[in-house]
Amino acid sequence: GAVVSQHPSRVICKSGTSVKIECRSLDFQATTMFWYRQFPKQSLMLMATSNEGSKATYEQGVEKDKFLINHASLTLSTLTVTSAHPEDSSFYICSARAQQGIPPEAFFGQGTRLTVV
Amino acid sequence: AQKVTQAQTEISVVEKEDVTLDCVYETRDTTYYLFWYKQPPSGELVFLIRRNSFDEQNEISGRYSWNFQKSTSSFNFTITASQVVDSAVYFCALSENNQGGKLIFGQGTELSVKP
Repeated sequence: GAVVSQHPSRVICKSGTSVKIECRSLDFQATTMFWYRQFPKQSLMLMATSNEGSKATYEQGVEKDKFLINHASLTLSTLTVTSAHPEDSSFYICSARAQQGIPPEAFFGQGTRLTVV
Repeated sequence: AQKVTQAQTEISVVEKEDVTLDCVYETRDTTYYLFWYKQPPSGELVFLIRRNSFDEQNEISGRYSWNFQKSTSSFNFTITASQVVDSAVYFCALSENNQGGKLIFGQGTELSVKP
């Protein structure tokens, strides 16, 4: 299957700072990337969908000014958590889709465990 | 509205037992896809299977098997002769054809296989 690389795998940051998480498709062009968040012992919840070259579409209840998503190329999407607070501590995981019109194949990155202290 | 329900929050079995993880879904779309993922303690999601709504044939892959029944909107997953390495959280997920590939996940079932 296709490879999606997410970086960093773990990050600890101070409250009030910003953190950037990268999601790269290594061997295919990802027209669409998805960002999910998972709190401990809970399911994965979709935060936003990003399409290359256009603005991300955020799910209800997700603050777009707090979670900045950029999908500037077909192989890279970034999620920036701005002014992070302890309640933003979570597991963030991205997935990438190759192209429209074919059955969806969701290839996931390894995930990023964010701890805000 | 789309929804995935995994009613079993935790299951504990002894090694070599068979175990079935239940998944029930709701969708209004006629074309959709169902997935199972394994999430070990390290956190990454391991893809296990994808099934489209037009293919109700059951599938077997080694010790794993899946039973897809549209009549009951279920997509159950059975592990035969479970092993300690099967211990993980298992997620069932739904993707509707008109939703661009995003996944709706169930709550997950934490499987613990004891030696």
